[in-house]
Amino acid sequence: GAVVSQHPSWVICKSGTSVKIECRSLDFQATTMFWYRQFPKQSLMLMATSNEGSKATYEQGVEKDKFLINHASLTLSTLTVTSAHPEDSSFYICSGRARDYEQYFGPGTRLTVT
Amino acid sequence: GQNIDQPTEMTATEGAIVQINCTYQTSGFNGLFWYQQHAGEAPTFLSYNVLDGLEEKGRFSSFLSRSKGYSYLLLKELQMQDSASYLCAVTDSNYQLIWGAGTKLIIKP
Repeated sequence: GAVVSQHPSWVICKSGTSVKIECRSLDFQATTMFWYRQFPKQSLMLMATSNEGSKATYEQGVEKDKFLINHASLTLSTLTVTSAHPEDSSFYICSGRARDYEQYFGPGTRLTVT
Repeated sequence: GQNIDQPTEMTATEGAIVQINCTYQTSGFNGLFWYQQHAGEAPTFLSYNVLDGLEEKGRFSSFLSRSKGYSYLLLKELQMQDSASYLCAVTDSNYQLIWGAGTKLIIKP
């Protein structure tokens, strides 16, 4: 199956700083990438959908100025959490959608804001 | 609105069989996925159904009835490592995944 990587796998940052998470599709071109957030013991929550070369579409309740998404190429999307706060601590997972419409998930990034 | 229902938690015994049900109401349907997710890890793909019927893959089988908006995931010969959350997700008319809340499966020896 297709492989998606995320970097970093975990990060600890101080409140008020920004953190960038990279999502790469290693062996396929992902025309669409998705960013999810998952709090403990809860299901995945879609944050935004990004298509290569265009602006991301954010789900209701997700602040686009706080969670900056860039999808500059068919193999790379980045999520930047700006001015992070402890309530932003979560498990962030990206996925890439290939032509067969299946989503392939990255391993996730655990963000802890202190 | 769009809605996917699955039980919150189930318990089964090692070596036994368990069936996890999923019902859905979505705007359009382009397939149903089952994913397995161990604690602290990303989901991994288990199965995909787009036509009615049963898809068998080793110890795991998935069934779909589009007219009933219903699917189940059947796990046979349960192993301790099958303890995980099982997520049902439906692709809607825009090919966006709509997620269920997941079913936490606890396997007891």
